[in-house]
Amino acid sequence: SQQGEEDPQALSIQEGENATMNCSYKTSINNLQWYRQNSGRGLVHLILIRSNEREKHSGRLRVTLDTSKKSSSLLITASRAADTASYFCATNNYGQNFVFGPGTRLSVLP
Amino acid sequence: GAVVSQHPSWVICKSGTSVKIECRSLDFQATTMFWYRQFPKQSLMLMATSNEGSKATYEQGVEKDKFLINHASLTLSTLTVTSAHPEDSSFYICSASRASGQETQYFGPGTRLLVL
Repeated sequence: SQQGEEDPQALSIQEGENATMNCSYKTSINNLQWYRQNSGRGLVHLILIRSNEREKHSGRLRVTLDTSKKSSSLLITASRAADTASYFCATNNYGQNFVFGPGTRLSVLP
Repeated sequence: GAVVSQHPSWVICKSGTSVKIECRSLDFQATTMFWYRQFPKQSLMLMATSNEGSKATYEQGVEKDKFLINHASLTLSTLTVTSAHPEDSSFYICSASRASGQETQYFGPGTRLLVL
């Protein structure tokens, strides 16, 4: 079964609005990472949050991690059309392989 | 730093032929490389993990005789799709890490395979 599961599956917002995507997982993790994938392209690493961290920021990105609920959220503030992409969370458990969630397809309308 | 390339980026082939995809770490030595497959609008599914100089470890349900993986050097891994069929059409993405168990993987741009 999927380890990471994102919701919503698809999200459409206006430019300038904030976008929030959530990721849930089932087992213990060492860290959780968020990636962006533009259509037909490879993955771009956005941010890594470790299991002992609760929140991390990088530019317009804010990631939270709640290990008690086994969930994480990715917030993109002041979205731009260029943020249109699919966003995946991936969990990593102490040297084991990454497990990717199904992703959220974000569309930012100009 | 930490750039991973894949070649080719696009390949179209006839059913029954074999296709080789290369994954290279350009500016670092990759002890471990990973191969993923991604169907349209779906997530990445890990196919196999390869460590330099040893046999690849395949995920459950992935045929090792169908998807041959060679990690002959610290900068190159190849995936060969043997006797490709239309159902093998997919987006294949590799990633590389500097060491086994590393928390960071660097992803290649992907190779789109279309089998006619």
